[in-house]
Amino acid sequence: TQLLEQSPQFLSIQEGENLTVYCNSSSVFSSLQWYRQEPGEGPVLLVTVVTGGEVKKLKRLTFQFGDARKDSSLHITAAQTGDTGLYLCAGVPSNSGYALNFGKGTSLLVTP
Amino acid sequence: KAGVTQTPRYLIKTRGQQVTLSCSPISGHRSVSWYQQTPGQGLQFLFEYFSETQRNKGNFPGRFSGRQFSNSRSEMNVSTLELGDSALYLCASSQGSSYNSPLHFGNGTRLTVT
Repeated sequence: TQLLEQSPQFLSIQEGENLTVYCNSSSVFSSLQWYRQEPGEGPVLLVTVVTGGEVKKLKRLTFQFGDARKDSSLHITAAQTGDTGLYLCAGVPSNSGYALNFGKGTSLLVTP
Repeated sequence: KAGVTQTPRYLIKTRGQQVTLSCSPISGHRSVSWYQQTPGQGLQFLFEYFSETQRNKGNFPGRFSGRQFSNSRSEMNVSTLELGDSALYLCASSQGSSYNSPLHFGNGTRLTVT
């Protein structure tokens, strides 16, 4: 059973477009993290959201944590080819220890 | 500061063999976690070690084992390899002081079982 469901699974857009990817769960999470993974490399942490309703901005990326701490979204404004990669959300369920659970990811391709 | 180092980068093994993968964490990081990544299942948690003790374990068979040394370096072992064990094995380190500690991943070991 996948604790974190990400959608869409694949996304192909052109440079300059906006996009949103979603990370949903029926479980409550203590915090959620977003990572980006490029081919041949390990995931790299983008942001951690901790408080329900929290919004964090990282340049053109906006991350939101749901009020109930069960979901999160990542919005990219004016996508660039350098944004191409696999976006993963990960969280520690409130009723567990330190095991970070990952969603299957959204594979984003940004073309010129 | 050097990142997380995993060796080897690529491995090809035959079904039934065993394999040992190595991970050197970032200096000062006491927690090491291992994940298996496949296209179908994504990243699945194997186990986590903190100060030489296994603190968490995922739902993998006993053929998958690990250990952590006093210098925080970690190894994972897979015995009696099966074709389905072909995957990218990722190691991540963190300071481990809380669940909010960010994970720093290595670039993985790509294991192919034939």
